[in-house]
Amino acid sequence: DIQMTQSPSSLSASVGDRVTITCRASQSISSYLNWYQQKPGKAPKLLIYAASNLQSGVPSRFSGSASGTDFTLTISSLQSEDFATYYCQQSYGNPRTFGQGTKVEIK
Amino acid sequence: QVQLQESGPGLVKPSETLSLTCTVSGGSISRYYWTWIRQPAGKGLEWIGRIYPSGSTNYNPSLKSRVTMSVATSKSQFSLRLSSVTAADTAMYYCAIEIAVAGTNGNWFDPWGQGILVSVSS
Repeated sequence: DIQMTQSPSSLSASVGDRVTITCRASQSISSYLNWYQQKPGKAPKLLIYAASNLQSGVPSRFSGSASGTDFTLTISSLQSEDFATYYCQQSYGNPRTFGQGTKVEIK
Repeated sequence: QVQLQESGPGLVKPSETLSLTCTVSGGSISRYYWTWIRQPAGKGLEWIGRIYPSGSTNYNPSLKSRVTMSVATSKSQFSLRLSSVTAADTAMYYCAIEIAVAGTNGNWFDPWGQGILVSVSS
């Protein structure tokens, strides 16, 4: 299985902060990497697909990038509605695997 | 706009079989991969497997011996059966579409159903 390791596991930030979450794959996955946002009691929501493509309807403050096996989700200016847990997920191979999640909390 | 809705028992006894159905509305079920994902309370996401309308399946090796997926295109439904359940199978179960767009790398899950909580307890 391809292991996906996210860091940090949690972070505290203030509204307006720039937030960066990293996901590292255990092997090369090209750009077969997606990011999801999950709020309590809700299903995950697709934010970024294929490493850097913004899903329709997702605010432009969200962006994704890739460098080798390292992937980054950036929120340029954190808003109150962005406090949630974020997951990366690889679609390079089966089984599909997710990172363990990064919880973004209010500072 | 495609929408998904999970249904099934919320309580299953240990050693019995968990059976869930996902009903698709607003679109055709005759394309895409149809996927099941679960999430124990307070924990991360685990991919259970997927089925293509042709009946072709891929299962997570960690669950493969206990998982069966099927699709009923005439009813716009696909189903999950997980046998010999234990307390470790207690989780929120989601159905989702695995979609890809020509010219992009990989597939992704969108949309998701709202999820159904299944507890395993006697």
